[in-house]
Amino acid sequence: AQRVTQPEKLLSVFKGAPVELKCNYSYSGSPELFWYVQYSRQRLQLLLRHISRESIKGFTADLNKGETSFHLKKPFAQEEDSAMYYCALSLVIQGAQKLVFGQGTRLTINP
Amino acid sequence: GAVVSQHPSRVICKSGTSVKIECRSLDFQATTMFWYRQFPKQSLMLMATSNEGSKATYEQGVEKDKFLINHASLTLSTLTVTSAHPEDSSFYICSAHHWTSGDLRDPGEQFFGPGTRLTVL
Repeated sequence: AQRVTQPEKLLSVFKGAPVELKCNYSYSGSPELFWYVQYSRQRLQLLLRHISRESIKGFTADLNKGETSFHLKKPFAQEEDSAMYYCALSLVIQGAQKLVFGQGTRLTINP
Repeated sequence: GAVVSQHPSRVICKSGTSVKIECRSLDFQATTMFWYRQFPKQSLMLMATSNEGSKATYEQGVEKDKFLINHASLTLSTLTVTSAHPEDSSFYICSAHHWTSGDLRDPGEQFFGPGTRLTVL
């Protein structure tokens, strides 16, 4: 079965410290993975997708098929990074994309 | 671009009544929209996939007669919670799928609405 696991419900780091939010997936096909972010009182929005291989707001994520992981990293955390982060696996079923979300990690950046 | 709206943002209703929630893609057409439910401090759980002009596809465990979905146009999907009960109280979020590039390898992207807080008394 397809599954996304984010082992940390809460993560707290100090400003300027490196951040890594873990995400592991279970999927027999070729995975399409995303990271979504939800800032306080805002809607869910796409942060980055592995297919784009780009860095957004200093965050990067590399797909590691051997470890079935898609960890989100940022070398120097900023206070405005405090938010809820969701890792998501995209499935295409009968021509339509469907997202399976992880449980989410609440990241708090301490000043 | 690619904005999705939901209406209402918050609704309180009495047990036994029905509530309709609208999801609109404002600046793009979406043949596929999705409805999620989010419990406090939990992740989004997909309830159903709404396809324009055809019946919705419900996830396992979601009662189709309880949660009626209509996707009558390329910019509007509605979720009606019928005979609502207190256990239906939740945060309901919709998303609309948008093909953001012309690359066939690109799976596209889901754009999310702001959510609707339903409270059933």
